Amino acid sequence: AQKITQTQPGMFVQEKEAVTLDCTYDTSDQSYGLFWYKQPSSGEMIFLIYQGSYDEQNATEGRYSLNFQKARKSANLVISASQLGDSAMYFCAMRRPISSGSARQLTFGSGTQLTVLP
Amino acid sequence: DTGVSQDPRHKITKRGQNVTFRCDPISEHNRLYWYRQTLGQGPEFLTYFQNEAQLEKSRLLSDRFSAERPKGSFSTLEIQRTEQGDSAMYLCASSYGRGPPSTDTQYFGPGTRLTVL
Repeated sequence: AQKITQTQPGMFVQEKEAVTLDCTYDTSDQSYGLFWYKQPSSGEMIFLIYQGSYDEQNATEGRYSLNFQKARKSANLVISASQLGDSAMYFCAMRRPISSGSARQLTFGSGTQLTVLP
Repeated sequence: DTGVSQDPRHKITKRGQNVTFRCDPISEHNRLYWYRQTLGQGPEFLTYFQNEAQLEKSRLLSDRFSAERPKGSFSTLEIQRTEQGDSAMYLCASSYGRGPPSTDTQYFGPGTRLTVL
């Protein structure tokens, strides 16, 4: 079964600095998708960035980039120039390939609580 | 462009009562998902609809849980005979995709927080 591990329950970063949130995954599939979501205290899960397992380049979306190392099975999220509004819970998630029969569901890690300090 | 909406946002009920939650997906999204999130954990998949057809259900979805999407638009999740262990955030998500799911992104609503006393 696939598993997502986020080993940092909490992280602190100074405003305007960059921060890396770790995510490792365990799967025997060759094709899969990796996602990062942000969950503020309001509860809504906000999609940030997606990386396909066959994508040759690391995904980027504005201040967010994904450091994808397939051989190490890691998909770390990098947030550049942190802002106070970035304070939230961040979840890494994976979707399995179509052939698995469960490609529609996302499997989430336990999350990392990021606090941006002024 | 409105996002996914859920109603109610909060629900407090007594053990043994039935509750029903509603989810309105992003218009034209044909895929709808329900997840459950307990405190300090990531969301766990419950069920999936493509249009009005319920195509996938998790083992987490016991017989007391039922979900519908009658016209392929909004969806309801009902919990019968609630238990204290049902206390959680119930999240709905939607996506648009043609053919088998590939990279379509799931967009989440604000969730319904259920407290069972």
